[in-house]
Amino acid sequence: AQTVTQSQPEMSVQEAETVTLSCTYDTSENNYYLFWYKQPPSRQMILVIRQEAYKQQNATENRFSVNFQKAAKSFSLKISDSQLGDTAMYFCAFMKQRTGNQFYFGTGTSLTVIP
Amino acid sequence: KAGVTQTPRYLIKTRGQQVTLSCSPISGHRSVSWYQQTPGQGLQFLFEYFSETQRNKGNFPGRFSGRQFSNSRSEMNVSTLELGDSALYLCASSLEGQGFYEQYFGPGTRLTVT
Repeated sequence: AQTVTQSQPEMSVQEAETVTLSCTYDTSENNYYLFWYKQPPSRQMILVIRQEAYKQQNATENRFSVNFQKAAKSFSLKISDSQLGDTAMYFCAFMKQRTGNQFYFGTGTSLTVIP
Repeated sequence: KAGVTQTPRYLIKTRGQQVTLSCSPISGHRSVSWYQQTPGQGLQFLFEYFSETQRNKGNFPGRFSGRQFSNSRSEMNVSTLELGDSALYLCASSLEGQGFYEQYFGPGTRLTVT
């Protein structure tokens, strides 16, 4: 079975500062995908960033980057230059390869950006 | 391009009743997945449909069922509602049936069981 753990239920960061959200997962799969999704108070889930397990290079999307440590089964999200619009619930998610679209989600981290 | 739409957005039902929720995926998307979101359990996978066939199923009782139509629209049914079924139900659609394709989520249906 796949499990995803987010150990930080709540976090806060000052505007313009950098924050890192942690995620660990457990799987016996070798090929899989990892994602970070953002759920603002309006409730629409939005993809932030994704990583393929076979790629050693960490994914980057503008102010968002990940630190993917496959051996440690760790997948943290770094948000640089935090903005008020980054305030949201962040979910880490895991998907096995070639088995269809079934996400295993962590319990989420509520991030508040303080002006 | 229109996003994923879910109807209704809010629903109040009584224990023992049944409910049907609808999800219209983005045009051209053939995969539709359903998730239950609760404060205590987080997001849990219910099932996925691809080309009218259920391809994956989560660990939910048989009271939860779904189907997908030829136009990729999907419905989810919950029979004999229980108080614990109160949750936000999210659906997500994807262009292809598997792999590294972004899943686009709808706004959800908030179901309250009294």
